[in-house]
Amino acid sequence: AQKITQTQPGMFVQEKEAVTLDCTYDTSDQSYGLFWYKQPSSGEMIFLIYQGSYDEQNATEGRYSLNFQKARKSANLVISASQLGDSAMYFCAMRESFSGGYNKLIFGAGTRLAVHP
Amino acid sequence: GAVVSQHPSRVICKSGTSVKIECRSLDFQATTMFWYRQFPKQSLMLMATSNEGSKATYEQGVEKDKFLINHASLTLSTLTVTSAHPEDSSFYICSARKTSDMNQPQHFGDGTRLSIL
Repeated sequence: AQKITQTQPGMFVQEKEAVTLDCTYDTSDQSYGLFWYKQPSSGEMIFLIYQGSYDEQNATEGRYSLNFQKARKSANLVISASQLGDSAMYFCAMRESFSGGYNKLIFGAGTRLAVHP
Repeated sequence: GAVVSQHPSRVICKSGTSVKIECRSLDFQATTMFWYRQFPKQSLMLMATSNEGSKATYEQGVEKDKFLINHASLTLSTLTVTSAHPEDSSFYICSARKTSDMNQPQHFGDGTRLSIL
């Protein structure tokens, strides 16, 4: 069965510093996709970044980058130059195997990031 | 801007009331939408996959008669919590993918916070 593991319940970072949020996954599929979402206290889910299993380069989106280590089955999110507005819950998710055509997402438990001034 | 709209954002009602939550795709047609439930400080749990023109696919353990899903058009899916009780209090959030490309992210509504008194 596919599984996403986020081992850090909470993380603290000083404003303007970089922070890495860990995500490991378990799948027997060769083709899969990994997503990171941000959930502020207001509740909405904001898509941050995507990494495909066949992508040779690590994904980057502005201050977000994904440290993809396929052999270790890890897809850590790196946030550079942290801002106070980055304080939120962060979820790692994996696209489930192509079953029934729906491509459901499996979410990790999440990591709560607090950015301190 | 938002691509998935969810309404209402918050509901407070008495036990025994049925509550309907709407999820709309704003500028695209969504043959598939997803409904999630999130308990406080926990991850998102997929409840069901909503399919336009056919029956929803429910995850194991989710009561079909309790959580009625109707996907009557390509832009609207509704979740009705029937005869709601305090244990149904939770955060409900829907999502849809803009394209059939499974590598594209799911876009989420802003969620509905349901409180049953």
